[in-house]
Amino acid sequence: DAGITQSPRHKVTETGTPVTLRCHQTENHRYMYWYRQDPGHGLRLIHYSYGVKDTDKGEVSDGYSVSRSKTEDFLLTLESATSSQTSVYFCAISGASRGETQYFGPGTRLLVL
Amino acid sequence: GESVGLHLPTLSVQEGDNSIINCAYSNSASDYFIWYKQESGKGPQFIIDIRSNMDKRQGQRVTVLLNKTVKHLSLQIAATQPGDSAVYFCAENIEGAQKLVFGQGTRLTINP
Repeated sequence: DAGITQSPRHKVTETGTPVTLRCHQTENHRYMYWYRQDPGHGLRLIHYSYGVKDTDKGEVSDGYSVSRSKTEDFLLTLESATSSQTSVYFCAISGASRGETQYFGPGTRLLVL
Repeated sequence: GESVGLHLPTLSVQEGDNSIINCAYSNSASDYFIWYKQESGKGPQFIIDIRSNMDKRQGQRVTVLLNKTVKHLSLQIAATQPGDSAVYFCAENIEGAQKLVFGQGTRLTINP
């Protein structure tokens, strides 16, 4: 987890409320990713960023948006949280390319009631 | 669906024994493979990687073997310790696709 922090680490929220998760890195890596991890599904890519203000969708992007205004910060927003978005969210970073080793943060456990 | 899978979802071994965790992949264009370890409540941790031009790579107490003929990857952990208890999963990079595909994971349990 060195060099990658996520906040908050735990959050409980209600359906319909907006939620923003933050990923912060000190490695100056170009690529940043948001994944969700659910039993039976493994890690699934939500969105990723390949530079400041450059983002793209992953395989499960519906209901999520992202922003990257600085190299070190990547925000994931659930505009209107739903119970199906209850999950553990991981941020990851990589330097060289999307296909290279990704290093993960400690995760955020989100419960939507 | 994911092209990376695992033969066994759970594996129990005695402390001190060697562990072998397997991973099958289906894309012959995959050129880079990574093993991760994930302990309960933590993020995945990089263990070791291997490129497709290699058959074997060793780290500290871990060895990764790649058999491209049968599209099989394995992680060997020597002298398994209680701290090795975790979920292990492999990931592959599909050349040209520029993304990692993750497997589901194998839970390794160490018996005292």
